[in-house]
Amino acid sequence: DIVLTQSPVLAVSLGQRATISCRASQSVSISSINLMHWYQQKPGQQPKLLIYRASNLASGIPARFSGSGSGTDFTLTIDPVQADDIAAYYCQQSRESPFTFGSGTKLEIK
Amino acid sequence: QVTLKESGPGILQPSQTLSLTCSFSGFLLSASSVGVGWIRQPSGKGLEWLATIGWEDVKHYNPSLKSRLTISKDTSNNQVFLKITSVDTADTGTYYCAHSAPYWYFDFWGPGTMVTVSS
Repeated sequence: DIVLTQSPVLAVSLGQRATISCRASQSVSISSINLMHWYQQKPGQQPKLLIYRASNLASGIPARFSGSGSGTDFTLTIDPVQADDIAAYYCQQSRESPFTFGSGTKLEIK
Repeated sequence: QVTLKESGPGILQPSQTLSLTCSFSGFLLSASSVGVGWIRQPSGKGLEWLATIGWEDVKHYNPSLKSRLTISKDTSNNQVFLKITSVDTADTGTYYCAHSAPYWYFDFWGPGTMVTVSS
């Protein structure tokens, strides 16, 4: 199985940039297609797709969110961070089954 | 507009079989590159992918639970089902179904259904 590693917590000041990382135990890219995706989950809600295939913004998601990376290292950036962004963020790979999720990063405000 | 909604028993006893239904609208499961997946989340913990069924009845299972899982679909009634046999307390949590886009990511999610396994 491909294991995805995320830091458990990230504390950022409002208006600053948040950088959330996800490292895969093996490459999740096929040629130029990076099969890493990002989700936001607020307490009591279902997850919401933010970024698909590493860098594509999902429909209705503000441009403050962006994604980058390839191979084994991926990043979700939120700039600037707003109070509404307090949530858990999960990466997910679809390079191969089982389609694993990272353990999540909780974004906190300093 | 794509919508999904999960339904389940709420509470069941250890060793029983958990039967979940995902009712959806706004897309056809017979369409190319479309699927529906099941993901669960124990309270306060992370997400665990369980299974996905695709447009040509292709099925993917999480190997850690594969012997206990069965995913199936009723295309004409826009429903997907998941059965988990021999449940125990570790199966307690919220179960989500989600629309699976090409490349197997999940772009639309249901609100989830809570399942408690308790004697």
